[in-house]
Order: sequence, then C-alpha cells, then structure tokens
Amino acid sequence: AQSVTQLDSQVPVFEEAPVELRCNYSSSVSVYLFWYVQYPNQGLQLLLKYLSGSTLVESINGFEAEFNKSQTSFHLRKPSVHISDTAEYFCAVSDRDDKIIFGKGTRLHILP
Amino acid sequence: GAGVSQSPSNKVTEKGKDVELRCDPISGHTALYWYRQSLGQGLEFLIYFQGNSAPDKSGLPSDRFSAERTGGSVSTLTIQRTQQEDSAVYLCASSFLAAYEQYFGPGTRLTVT
Repeated sequence: AQSVTQLDSQVPVFEEAPVELRCNYSSSVSVYLFWYVQYPNQGLQLLLKYLSGSTLVESINGFEAEFNKSQTSFHLRKPSVHISDTAEYFCAVSDRDDKIIFGKGTRLHILP
Repeated sequence: GAGVSQSPSNKVTEKGKDVELRCDPISGHTALYWYRQSLGQGLEFLIYFQGNSAPDKSGLPSDRFSAERTGGSVSTLTIQRTQQEDSAVYLCASSFLAAYEQYFGPGTRLTVT
C-alpha cells in the first residue's frame, strides 16, 4: 500500500518569496498524485493533479508541482507567495486501482 | 451540479450518546470516503466504499465506529457511546473512481461534552 510523507508540518515564508512544500511517496509503478488546499475555516479543495503526460502540472493561482519518478516526489512550488496563500496543503497519492492516501499536511504561514 | 453535502453541519452531544452523520455524494460517484480532522491534526482516514465491494474499514479507530452506504449513494457514519476524544470535524468525500480526485463535503463538526 502507498504511503505519503510531507516532511514539514509548518513552513513560514515571507510574502513575495518563493516556497517549496515537499512530498514524497512510497515507490510504485504507476500513481496518480494530487495536492489539496484547505484555506482557514474552509473545506478541502483540489489544487492540482498529475494523472499522466507532462510531469509538470500547474494550478490557476501560480502553484506548480513536478512528478519525479526516480525520487518518488511531487513537491509543490510557487515562485512568489501572497498572503492569500496562507492555508494547509495536503499531498495525496493513489495506486491506479486503489484508494487515495493523504499526507499529514503542511501549514504555510505567510509573513508580512 | 450539486457537490457533496453533509448533515448536520454541527452536532453537540453528551458523552455516551450515539450520533449519526450523513453524507450525500455527487451523483454517479462510485467511491465514498470518510475522514476525521481534529484541531491541528491532518486528515485521518476512517473508511472507504467502492461500488459494491466490501468497504475498507482499516481506519476506524474502534468498534464504536461504523458506517454504511445504502444503494451505492448516501452514507451514514455512526458513532456509538461517544467520547470526548471523538470531537472533531468529520469529512466525507466522493470520487468517480477510487483513485481519481476527491470532492469534499463541508464537514460535520462534532462536539462531545
């Protein structure tokens, strides 16, 4: 069965600085990969996903993640964060015929 | 179209009482998940239904917790003899197929006094 590791429980970063939220998963031949976001006092929503094709996927609000099969990683990045990016971010992975597994989440704190 | 709905949105109950939480998934979604989210904690997987297959109950924390899914649609999570440590937000999610992206409901905030 899959497992997901989000190495950082909290990440503080200054506004307009770049950020990387790390996600690693246990090895598997074929996987689907997801990042979900939970803004304060809101529900979880899908931020971006990798199913197949290009290993670099982007969201509409400037985040991107790259599927790295050799390193079994799917790190989330943004070149310049905004105060509105304050949220908790969850990485998730599934084998293609099994349920989705979530990481424990990373809280992104944007400092003014 | 309608998203995932959950009811009630808030539930306050006394320790020792039973509670039922309801989830209405998106129509046509074959997979349904229940999670628990406590303050400062991540998502704790509870149970997963996929079509007509036997549910994956591997995340249920004790035998006080049970869930059913009727007709492949609506699901009810039941907690018997509630304890204070059961206080959390209970989230339901559905997906077209098990491995595809999930759509989450707004959650039920359970408070056990």
